[in-house]
Amino acid sequence: GAGVSQSPRYKVAKRGQDVALRCDPISGHVSLFWYQQALGQGPEFLTYFQNEAQLDKSGLPSDRFFAERPEGSVSTLKIQRTQQEDSAVYLCASSLTGYSYEQYFGPGTRLTVT
Amino acid sequence: DQQVKQNSPSLSVQEGRISILNCDYTNSMFDYFLWYKKYPAEGPTFLISISSIKDKNEDGRFTVFLNKSAKHLSLHIVPSQPGDSAVYFCAARMNSGGYQKVTFGTGTKLQVIP
Repeated sequence: GAGVSQSPRYKVAKRGQDVALRCDPISGHVSLFWYQQALGQGPEFLTYFQNEAQLDKSGLPSDRFFAERPEGSVSTLKIQRTQQEDSAVYLCASSLTGYSYEQYFGPGTRLTVT
Repeated sequence: DQQVKQNSPSLSVQEGRISILNCDYTNSMFDYFLWYKKYPAEGPTFLISISSIKDKNEDGRFTVFLNKSAKHLSLHIVPSQPGDSAVYFCAARMNSGGYQKVTFGTGTKLQVIP
C-alpha cells in the first residue's frame, strides 16, 4: 500500500515569500503530525491533527506558521513571509490513532530560504 | 530543554560486531520509548519500542534495554550489518490530552564497516 507522501520534495524560497507544503497521509489514518528537523537535530513537533481537528499547535514557532487538514486527509503546512531560520526539513507523519505508538513518516520537504 | 538526549553523534562498528546506541531522558512521565532509523533523503522508520514497565524488548537482531532508575535506554544490534548504517533516533512518548506526543533525540549516525 502507499505510504505517506509529501510534496514538493525540495523548495527554495526567497526570504519574505510564502510557501505551502503538502502531506498525503496513509488512507484511514486518523492522526497526522508535522515536525521540523533542523540540520543535525532530531524532528521537533510542530502540530497534531485528529481527523480535521487541530488538537495541538503548541510547537508552531510563530504566527507565520499555519496548518490545516480540512477534510481529515490531506494536510497543508503554510509558512508566510519565510525567514532564513525557517530553513529545515519538514516531516509529516500519520498514525492509525492518536494512541498508536508507530508513526509513519513521509520523506520530508527540504525548505531552503535564501 | 532537551528531554531526550543522545550524546554520541556518531558511532563506527565493524561488521559482525555489536552496535550499542545510548539514550538518556529526563521526564518520568514518558510511558513508551521508541527507536527510529533514518536513511538519507527518507523519513524515519519505526524500528522497535519498549514500554516503561518493561526492561527489555527483543526483535531479531535488535534489543532495547530500559533502566528506569537511571532514565537510560540503549539499543543493541547484533550482529551489525552494513545495511544498518543509518541515523538512529531515540524517541519517548507521553500522553498529551487525548493523544501520544513523541519527543525525539538528536540522533546517532551509525556506520557499519564491512
